[in-house]
Amino acid sequence: KNEVEQSPQNLTAQEGEFITINCSYSVGISALHWLQQHPGGGIVSLFMLSSGKKKHGRLIATINIQEKHSSLHITASHPRDSAVYICAVPSVYNTDKLIFGTGTRLQVFP
Amino acid sequence: KAGVTQTPRYLIKTRGQQVTLSCSPISGHRSVSWYQQTPGQGLQFLFEYFSETQRNKGNFPGRFSGRQFSNSRSEMNVSTLELGDSALYLCASSSLSGGDQFFGPGTRLTVL
Repeated sequence: KNEVEQSPQNLTAQEGEFITINCSYSVGISALHWLQQHPGGGIVSLFMLSSGKKKHGRLIATINIQEKHSSLHITASHPRDSAVYICAVPSVYNTDKLIFGTGTRLQVFP
Repeated sequence: KAGVTQTPRYLIKTRGQQVTLSCSPISGHRSVSWYQQTPGQGLQFLFEYFSETQRNKGNFPGRFSGRQFSNSRSEMNVSTLELGDSALYLCASSSLSGGDQFFGPGTRLTVL
């Protein structure tokens, strides 16, 4: 069974701050997903990565396969970044089934 | 390219009723996965369909079922609704197995 843990659970920041959200998992995986969920429910897939680092605008995701750890960074945070960020990994038994972390609730204040 | 669409967006039902939710994947995507999100349990996998076949199923009772049509559109059905079935139901599509998943806006089901 693959356990996924995220930290912190809740995060508040002032606009402009650098944000880091962490995700650890227990079993070897082929890829890890970072998702963003805004109030109201819609989920957006931010990244799927299996090694190294990916960057999209102010968002950067890194993964260390050996340490079974991934981080999501937000540079120059903005109030519109306020959302729940969820990491997800494929099930050990079935790569089409995602196992989700509990999410990190981020609030960025102006 | 249009994104994943789900209908209806909101639904209110009473205990004992049944409900059918619909998901249209991104054009060309053949895999559709369904997830349930509740405040207590978070996001949980329901099932996944690929080319009209259910390939994987999560730990949900038999009241939860689904199907996929030849155009890759998928439906999920919940029979004999219970209060605990109140949740946001999300579907996600991908072009291939284990690939990046694109989520729909979800259907918020309230069971009274």
